[in-house]
Amino acid sequence: QQQVKQSPQSLIVQKGGISIINCAYENTAFDYFPWYQQFPGKGPALLIAIRPDVSEKKEGRFTISFNKSAKQFSLHIMDSQPGDSATYFCAASNRKGFQKLVFGTGTRLLVSP
Amino acid sequence: DAGVIQSPRHEVTEMGQEVTLRCKPISGHNSLFWYRQTMMRGLELLIYFNNNVPIDDSGMPEDRFSAKMPNASFSTLKIQPSEPRDSAVYFCASSLWAGTNTGELFFGEGSRLTVL
Repeated sequence: QQQVKQSPQSLIVQKGGISIINCAYENTAFDYFPWYQQFPGKGPALLIAIRPDVSEKKEGRFTISFNKSAKQFSLHIMDSQPGDSATYFCAASNRKGFQKLVFGTGTRLLVSP
Repeated sequence: DAGVIQSPRHEVTEMGQEVTLRCKPISGHNSLFWYRQTMMRGLELLIYFNNNVPIDDSGMPEDRFSAKMPNASFSTLKIQPSEPRDSAVYFCASSLWAGTNTGELFFGEGSRLTVL
């Protein structure tokens, strides 16, 4: 019940295309859903996050869509650029408890020039 | 701010040796986390501290692993004795927890451990 399932494992998108990464969770106590971006040789860094009181959050080219009833959320990267090539992790936590983030298994995105 | 600082960045050791990984969290942060990253298992939470106190160590794989946080600016993760299956990248992360959390962790650049 603590798992966050992420797909796909890897993704290749052409420059200018849309990248879509999906995550699903089981624990209904989760109420905070961040996405982290990791470049090779670096630690993950927070990219964007959403709370379940909204269905969508957009920051620049990055959008999170959230479906509470389906317990699913996804990351959309519009106009994907080669600089977006990285590994993306979805995560979930409960804001009331200590920050025990549960991470998905990661999606390796490659944006071809 | 310098961010979370980890050392060493790379460690190669032989099976049976003791390994100590070090972390300096961001000043002012009161929560510290140790994660392990492998291709097979992704990011696994090993242990986390709040105000220097271990809150949950259920992710520590076995007794060979131990972690300490003697003060707010320093933590260690020790593996003794090390085994080849411990080879991974170990990340330290810190955050500011103030009753509720936002999920924002600040990660170091990791310590890549290879056990031969």
